[in-house]
Amino acid sequence: SQQGEEDPQALSIQEGENATMNCSYKTSINNLQWYRQNSGRGLVHLILIRSNEREKHSGRLRVTLDTSKKSSSLLITASRAADTASYFCATDPAFERGATNKLIFGTGTLLAVQP
Amino acid sequence: EAQVTQNPRYLITVTGKKLTVTCSQNMNHEYMSWYRQDPGLGLRQIYYSMNVEVTDKGDVPEGYKVSRKEKRNFPLILESPSPNQTSLYFCASSTRGLAGGWKETQYFGPGTRLLVL
Repeated sequence: SQQGEEDPQALSIQEGENATMNCSYKTSINNLQWYRQNSGRGLVHLILIRSNEREKHSGRLRVTLDTSKKSSSLLITASRAADTASYFCATDPAFERGATNKLIFGTGTLLAVQP
Repeated sequence: EAQVTQNPRYLITVTGKKLTVTCSQNMNHEYMSWYRQDPGLGLRQIYYSMNVEVTDKGDVPEGYKVSRKEKRNFPLILESPSPNQTSLYFCASSTRGLAGGWKETQYFGPGTRLLVL
């Protein structure tokens, strides 16, 4: 099963409103990243938060990380129609034995911002 | 312009006909990987490469091959495609991040949509 599970699967809001998406994961991590994908296109890196960080900001984006609950949230403030896209979390797993070279993606949240 | 390119962007083929999807990056990145994206399953890693001549399996390697003869290129080969390999494929590359890890900012190609009949 996927390491990252986003919630909700789909979200529809009005322009100007805030959008919150959540990601849960199963194992310890080195970092967690959020990516955006416009319909049928490649993913674009948005923000990375390390396991020792609790909150990070980048423009209208705010990411939080709760390692005790193995969850993260992405908040997009004052949303715009151009924010309409799918959003994915990706985790860099940390294991006690050895290292993994994999980045594990979740199934994504589809965000629709109505003008 | 820094980018990852994939070719072709769209491909329709028939079962058993060998095909290659090319991936090239111009950022001198060491790490490259291939993903497939299917509805409800998110992105799953097929193969990855840490550097020239160094490749390893991801989560779903069956039915695929890769090679890394040059740093910039990482082709994905389907020796005998089957309908269950119909998918959207992405190539990605990265270099060492600030903390020394390889899996920080991934740069993705535009995708290759493959249909196997």
